[in-house]
Amino acid sequence: QSALTQPASVSGSPGQSITISCTGTSSDVGSYNLVSWYQQHPGKAPKLMIYEGSKRPSGVSNRFSGSKSGNTASLTISGLQAEDEADYYCCSYAGSSTFDYVFGTGTKVTVL
Amino acid sequence: EVQLVESGGGLVQPGRSLRLSCAASGFTFDDYAMHWVRQAPGKGLEWVSGISWNSGSIGYADSVKGRFTISRDNAKNSLYLQMNSLRAEDTALYYCAKDNKQWLVGNAFDIWGQGTMVTVSS
Repeated sequence: QSALTQPASVSGSPGQSITISCTGTSSDVGSYNLVSWYQQHPGKAPKLMIYEGSKRPSGVSNRFSGSKSGNTASLTISGLQAEDEADYYCCSYAGSSTFDYVFGTGTKVTVL
Repeated sequence: EVQLVESGGGLVQPGRSLRLSCAASGFTFDDYAMHWVRQAPGKGLEWVSGISWNSGSIGYADSVKGRFTISRDNAKNSLYLQMNSLRAEDTALYYCAKDNKQWLVGNAFDIWGQGTMVTVSS
C-alpha cells in the first residue's frame, strides 16, 4: 500500500489551466477506473471533486475534470480561480480481495 | 442536512486503547458503506478502514491491521473504530467518511465529518 505519487506543488495564474498528476501502479490506478480526487482547504475537511476517474458530483464546477492513462490519473482545473488554492489528493482502489484504498501524497495548488 | 459527527478522540498513552464514534444523519445510513480516514498533523490523507453497508465486507490499511476494528450499528446510525495498542504514529485527525455505494468496490468518499483528534503520547 504505497502512496500514489503526486507533485508537491503546482501553480498557475488566474484564468489559466493546470494539471495535477497521480501516478500509481498496475495494481491500483492501472487496474481500476476508480480514481477519485479531493480538495482540502486549510483547517477544513476534504471535499469530493471527481469520482470514477472523470465524474463530477452535483455542485462541483465543470472547471474540474479527470482523466487516466495507464497507471497515471490526472486532474485538470481550467479557468483557475483564487478559491481553487488548496491541497488536492487523489485516491485509488487497490484491491478487490482486501478492499484496499490508497491516497496520493497530495499537491498544493497556488494561484499566483 | 447530511452530516457526520465524530467523537471519542483525545490524549492517550502508547499501548492503550480508544474508541471513536461517528454519528450520521440526513441520509439512509444502512444504504452506504462507511470509512475512517486519518491525517497526521501537517501530513496527507491515509485511508484507515472501510465497512460495507451490512458489515459483510471490511478492509484495513496494513498500518492498523490487527490493532484496529471497524464496526457499525445501523439501528443507531453510527460507525465505530476500536483502536488498540496505540502508537505515536497513530496520532492524527480521524475523519469519518460516507461512501457513495453500498459495497467496498472502490467508489468515492462523498461526505466527510470534521474529524476527531487522537494524540498518542506519554
